[in-house]
Amino acid sequence: GENVEQHPSTLSVQEGDSAVIKCTYSDSASNYFPWYKQELGKGPQLIIDIRSNVGEKKDQRIAVTLNKTAKHFSLHITETQPEDSAVYFCAASPLFQFYFGTGTSLTVIP
Amino acid sequence: GAVVSQHPSWVICKSGTSVKIECRSLDFQATTMFWYRQFPKQSLMLMATSNEGSKATYEQGVEKDKFLINHASLTLSTLTVTSAHPEDSSFYICSARDPLGTPQETQYFGPGTRLLVL
Repeated sequence: GENVEQHPSTLSVQEGDSAVIKCTYSDSASNYFPWYKQELGKGPQLIIDIRSNVGEKKDQRIAVTLNKTAKHFSLHITETQPEDSAVYFCAASPLFQFYFGTGTSLTVIP
Repeated sequence: GAVVSQHPSWVICKSGTSVKIECRSLDFQATTMFWYRQFPKQSLMLMATSNEGSKATYEQGVEKDKFLINHASLTLSTLTVTSAHPEDSSFYICSARDPLGTPQETQYFGPGTRLLVL
């Protein structure tokens, strides 16, 4: 089955700096890669996603890059704000099922 | 946007009792729903995939007799934890896939149900 690894597990940045979270996956059949933000005690919220036929996607301060050959993808958050503090999960999806990474706890220091 | 609700948001029960958790897609018809389990400060682990009108598909290591899943309509799936024990205490999260959504793989997550078994 699919195995998704995510790094780092914790990340602290100063407000205004950039944050980068990296994930690798194992199943070459995975073709959809969403990123979710989860706040304490709540369900995950989709923040951005990318399909395997695209190398990069950007939505305002958030961008995702995908290297299908190397089987890794990354989340980039620029100009971080305190409200970006949360746990972020990457996922890889073969055939509509999601397999999540282990999560990154991001803290943005004002 | 697509909204998924869960009920109850939290439940405390005695060991040996059964607990039912409901997952509803409020503004779309979900042919497929998913159930996840999340331990504190850990990732979401897929438990099972539920397709409307058919039996759920369970991930390896998940006891189908322990976690009963029913997906009787296009907007409702239920997870019943049977004969619950303290080790079943966890955060249970459902998600739903909108077959008409873009992209089709997108899953919308519910707010989760926290189960505590005493």
